[in-house]
Amino acid sequence: AQTIHQWPVAEIKAVGSPLSLGCTIKGKSSPNLYWYWQATGGTLQQLFYSITVGQVESVVQLNLSASRPKDDQFILSTEKLLLSHSGFYLCAWSLDRGDTEVFFGKGTRLTVV
Amino acid sequence: GQQVQQSPASLVLQEGENAELQCNFSSTATQLQWFYQRPGGSLVSLLYNPSGTKHTGRLTSTTVTKERRSSLHISSSQITDSGTYFCAMDSGGSNYKLTFGKGTLLTVTP
Repeated sequence: AQTIHQWPVAEIKAVGSPLSLGCTIKGKSSPNLYWYWQATGGTLQQLFYSITVGQVESVVQLNLSASRPKDDQFILSTEKLLLSHSGFYLCAWSLDRGDTEVFFGKGTRLTVV
Repeated sequence: GQQVQQSPASLVLQEGENAELQCNFSSTATQLQWFYQRPGGSLVSLLYNPSGTKHTGRLTSTTVTKERRSSLHISSSQITDSGTYFCAMDSGGSNYKLTFGKGTLLTVTP
């Protein structure tokens, strides 16, 4: 069975500090991977997607970057955090685009102080 | 771009009542999915239904693709159904983007 693991579960970071969030999918080969962000009490906004290793497309600019160093790994990062980066970050996967469900990880709650 | 509107924004029911949640979208959906989120929790996929009617347990989703709308019916609501329900869609194209509505906050009381 496929599993999706996100780390860390929660982070409290200072403004201006770096950030790295990770996501690993096991049990599926060559999944499509996605990063989403949710402000407290808000809807979800897609940040990035990747359909293959080494290729990442940005959907919205939030001074964040993403990388896919391995087929089963997706990393979200920034060198300098802003207060506006606070929120809930969710990694998701799907088998393909067009006729498949999207499944989400448990998320990382980020508080920037 | 793609837009998704959900109604109502919030809904309060007594346990045992039925709920009807609506989702309207601005372009033809090739992908339509309903999610549930408990406060502070992640998203759980409820139903994947880009067209037609699908059931699982007490949930029924009906999507009318040509009319760009989908509904989620919850029968015999339970207190544990409380939370936020999101509708999300993708209309195809070169951008692999799932667009979410703002959600419907459902509260089920004893």
